[in-house]
Amino acid sequence: KAGVTQTPRYLIKTRGQQVTLSCSPISGHRSVSWYQQTPGQGLQFLFEYFSETQRNKGNFPGRFSGRQFSNSRSEMNVSTLELGDSALYLCASSSGLGTEAFFGQGTRLTVV
Amino acid sequence: TQLLEQSPQFLSIQEGENLTVYCNSSSVFSSLQWYRQEPGEGPVLLVTVVTGGEVKKLKRLTFQFGDARKDSSLHITAAQPGDTGLYLCAGATGNQFYFGTGTSLTVIP
Repeated sequence: KAGVTQTPRYLIKTRGQQVTLSCSPISGHRSVSWYQQTPGQGLQFLFEYFSETQRNKGNFPGRFSGRQFSNSRSEMNVSTLELGDSALYLCASSSGLGTEAFFGQGTRLTVV
Repeated sequence: TQLLEQSPQFLSIQEGENLTVYCNSSSVFSSLQWYRQEPGEGPVLLVTVVTGGEVKKLKRLTFQFGDARKDSSLHITAAQPGDTGLYLCAGATGNQFYFGTGTSLTVIP
């Protein structure tokens, strides 16, 4: 059974650009959650999608958005990048029923 | 806000020593997970505990879920350098997960 796949693994962007990150969950899982992890702030919840609908949302500005497709794959978009957006972005896959969450390897985004 | 506080935040010990990491909350969770994360990688699920008072062992790691399902502990016996990493607890309630603040463990050879 394949795990959670995040692409790309590494990304370098300049301020003001936008970026799209992708996450393919474990087969059969309908929930995908996105997190931002930085050394100073720890793991911060961005949003969760379940069956193509955003079900929960964290406290991030509108520059951060996401979507989920009918095959449960999810994308996260960050527009007008700022230096402070540099972080490890993680997605987690789960059944959506409050059971275990499994993480991908993450996308390391560096904004210069 | 359902916060999970972990202690200690940082821990540096010698190989062979024992240690305990705590995960505390004022909220009740239906289950609690422990993860280990290495630098630049995603967290890897170690264990899930569901029943109050439950104890699970994974080789040298012992996990306990509090009777009231509000707290948990992770005990490592005879720590090894390979145990080095960031340990995260996560509580599940409804359809949401709440992550702890993390414990960074360094085991010195």
